[in-house]
Amino acid sequence: QSDLTQPASVSGSPGQSITISCTGIRTDVGGYDYVSWYQQHPGKAPKLMIYDVSNRPSGVSHRFSGSKSGNTASLSISGLQSEDEADYYCGLHINTNFVFGSGTRVTVL
Amino acid sequence: QVQLVQSGAEVKKPGSSVKVSCKAPEGAFSTYVFTWVRQAPGQGLEWVGSIIPFSGIGNYAQKLQGRVTITADASTSTAYMELSGLRSEDTAVYYCARGVQLLDFWGQGTLVTVSS
Repeated sequence: QSDLTQPASVSGSPGQSITISCTGIRTDVGGYDYVSWYQQHPGKAPKLMIYDVSNRPSGVSHRFSGSKSGNTASLSISGLQSEDEADYYCGLHINTNFVFGSGTRVTVL
Repeated sequence: QVQLVQSGAEVKKPGSSVKVSCKAPEGAFSTYVFTWVRQAPGQGLEWVGSIIPFSGIGNYAQKLQGRVTITADASTSTAYMELSGLRSEDTAVYYCARGVQLLDFWGQGTLVTVSS
């Protein structure tokens, strides 16, 4: 098992852009392209926002984008809106296991 | 859109077992892979394990090995997660989700409370 580290919180004003990082080690995030991102509103089930590093499922806003550089994957949200306020988790399928990041609370100021 | 419908909340005594179900749409069930994820109150997401119904092969989180069993019944299009030897720290919302590399559809969650 590996640990995927995310910042505890990120905030921004409406209309701004923010980026959430997900840092692992060379043998996990750095070695695989199965990084996914999940949005979770309070009391709700998580929702898939990005898969395979940078692919958006049908129905997810184009304001959400994903990327990876070295051992760090990132989720960017542009044109921040109030409904984006939620918890965000990165996830990685590695070998036969799945690992979640520590989670980031996004606050819209 | 794939709807996964889970069973209702459970309250269990320490040391007992719980079995949570997750019903999927009929038809493509045998081609699905199911993953179970749990979330303790105020905490993050934790992978519990996954199963490929076609093969019956399950993979489990190391910390739960020996206590968790994930099964699937193709005749009822239902996946199950059974956790034994319950402890207070197993109190959590348990989610089923479709997929293994990416989790694209999720159940509504089942709250399991372990309390004496």
